[in-house]
Formats: sequence, C-alpha cells, structure tokens
Amino acid sequence: SQQGEEDPQALSIQEGENATMNCSYKTSINNLQWYRQNSGRGLVHLILIRSNEREKHSGRLRVTLDTSKKSSSLLITASRAADTASYFCATAQGGSEKLVFGKGTKLTVNP
Amino acid sequence: DTGVSQNPRHKITKRGQNVTFRCDPISEHNRLYWYRQTLGQGPEFLTYFQNEAQLEKSRLLSDRFSAERPKGSFSTLEIQRTEQGDSAMYLCASSLGDYSNSPLHFGNGTRLTVT
Repeated sequence: SQQGEEDPQALSIQEGENATMNCSYKTSINNLQWYRQNSGRGLVHLILIRSNEREKHSGRLRVTLDTSKKSSSLLITASRAADTASYFCATAQGGSEKLVFGKGTKLTVNP
Repeated sequence: DTGVSQNPRHKITKRGQNVTFRCDPISEHNRLYWYRQTLGQGPEFLTYFQNEAQLEKSRLLSDRFSAERPKGSFSTLEIQRTEQGDSAMYLCASSLGDYSNSPLHFGNGTRLTVT
C-alpha cells in the first residue's frame, strides 16, 4: 500500500516558472522525504523534513509540512529544463523502518 | 563514495526461468533495501537488511523471491520461476543508520523483462 500520494500526477511548465507539488499521507510520521528520479535512473534524495519542522529550504527547493493536515508541499523556484523528472514523497509509519513512496509527480520543464 | 552499484542493468528472461540480481551498497552503509518499481508507479518496498540480518519483508515478496546479504556487504535478490508480472525495475538502496537520520542512496536499478 502507498502511504503518500502526490498531486498533481503531471505538471508542465516553462523554464523560469515555479513548480509546486503536493503530498498527502495517511498516518502519523517521524519525517517526510522528497526524492527525484530521472527517466530510467535511480532515485536521488532531495530533502528530509522532520515532523516537528514546518519549513525547510535547500537551494531552489522549499518544503513545507503540515502535520495537522497530513500534507507536504515541494516548491522548486526558477525551474530549469534539467529539473524535468519525477518527484516522489516518502514516509515511514511509527516504528517501521521501511520508507513508503507515493506514485509521484512527473514534472516537465519546457525550455 | 562510488555509489550504489546494481548488476545487471537489464535482464531479459523467459517465463519460468530463475534470475538473480546483485547490489553493492556504499561500503560503510549498514542498511540495504530492495524496492520494485513498475511504469508510472512509485517504488514498492520489498525487504531490508541491517548488516546481514533481514529485518522486514513485504507481503509482496512471495515465496518465489529470496534475498540475502552474506557478511553484511553485497546483496542478491533471486526470483524463481519468473512470471510476466515480475517484469519491473528492481531498485537497491543503502543508508548509514535508520531512515530518520539518513536518506536512502539508490542504485540505477536492474530492469527485468519476462517474456
């Protein structure tokens, strides 16, 4: 079963625009992670936000977490063609050590 | 840091055959995970090891699937009597410590096609 669900499933924007992806999850979490996957490749970790944090930044990435709504958002500012990829959120429930991934948002940045 | 290495990158096999994949994690990482990913979906958890001990297995991992991590270094994932539904990308990841502090480092996967 998948814990996180990303929205939208697909997003197409122009270079220079901002891209926002959302993730909703079902149960309490210790942290939430975002990963990127280029076509045919493995996933690359982007950012981890803990349950007691509300916002985190890393370069052009901004992640927010609202535990009351069980949701998170990933904002990519000033997007580039190289940002074209699928983006996944991942969470782990309670004491489980397994990360459960959503279905992802496929982002296309047009030059 | 040479990254997580998976071999082979691609495997085509006939239904009913056995296949084995190998994963070499980042050398100092004590945790190793296997995931399966089908087209348009996120990775699905299969199993994970801490050192040589297999600590959790998904219900998705039928008795045709077995994973090992001898000596807590590389890992193998074997699928016996392959079925067409086994066609997927098999991803390996490793981490140092648990998920709450250490992100997963993924390999580029082994793409399995069962004909």
